[in-house]
Amino acid sequence: EAQVTQNPRYLITVTGKKLTVTCSQNMNHEYMSWYRQDPGLGLRQIYYSMNVEVTDKGDVPEGYKVSRKEKRNFPLILESPSPNQTSLYFCASSFGGGQGETQYFGPGTRLLVL
Amino acid sequence: AQSVTQPDIHITVSEGASLELRCNYSYGATPYLFWYVQSPGQGLQLLLKYFSGDTLVQGIKGFEAEFKRSQSSFNLRKPSVHWSDAAEYFCAVSGSARQLTFGSGTQLTVLP
Repeated sequence: EAQVTQNPRYLITVTGKKLTVTCSQNMNHEYMSWYRQDPGLGLRQIYYSMNVEVTDKGDVPEGYKVSRKEKRNFPLILESPSPNQTSLYFCASSFGGGQGETQYFGPGTRLLVL
Repeated sequence: AQSVTQPDIHITVSEGASLELRCNYSYGATPYLFWYVQSPGQGLQLLLKYFSGDTLVQGIKGFEAEFKRSQSSFNLRKPSVHWSDAAEYFCAVSGSARQLTFGSGTQLTVLP
């Protein structure tokens, strides 16, 4: 089944403790992206990647890192999480990142930073 | 810069009633427009999208949307709502390449 998977689905952590949220897709998509969803703000893009070793900032990149060493994986790294990073995070992928392409979303990771 | 406005934060309709969710966009050229639905605890699923051509677009689950350039709108409609349609709906615009900009969402409640 074609899908985007994220792990973990739920995570509670403390301020300053590094964490990684994994994202993997099995559709051989070149484009992958991370969003955060906050009430009243919709989804905002954190980082995206057009291909292996090619990443770029989205609208809200501060406090986050990403890497793209393999085509299928695009982990999101919070090196020193803070409470304002408490949010619902979505990973998405599309074939090539073209303007009108459909993005396929993972199930989300709910993060609470204490 | 591109932007999307969904003026209705929350809408309540009775099952069987018609539905219209509003979406206004801002973009300098012809936009690519999308509607996504997020069911509780789920990721986002594409309902429909518009690129060009016929301004009335049909999607999954009986939804349709109409693109009106003069009003910069892309409203989502359904003639008869089912209880399973209760979810949050997001309008999005893809103007610049590689970036999808979302509205703040509209939460739909369906009354029995």
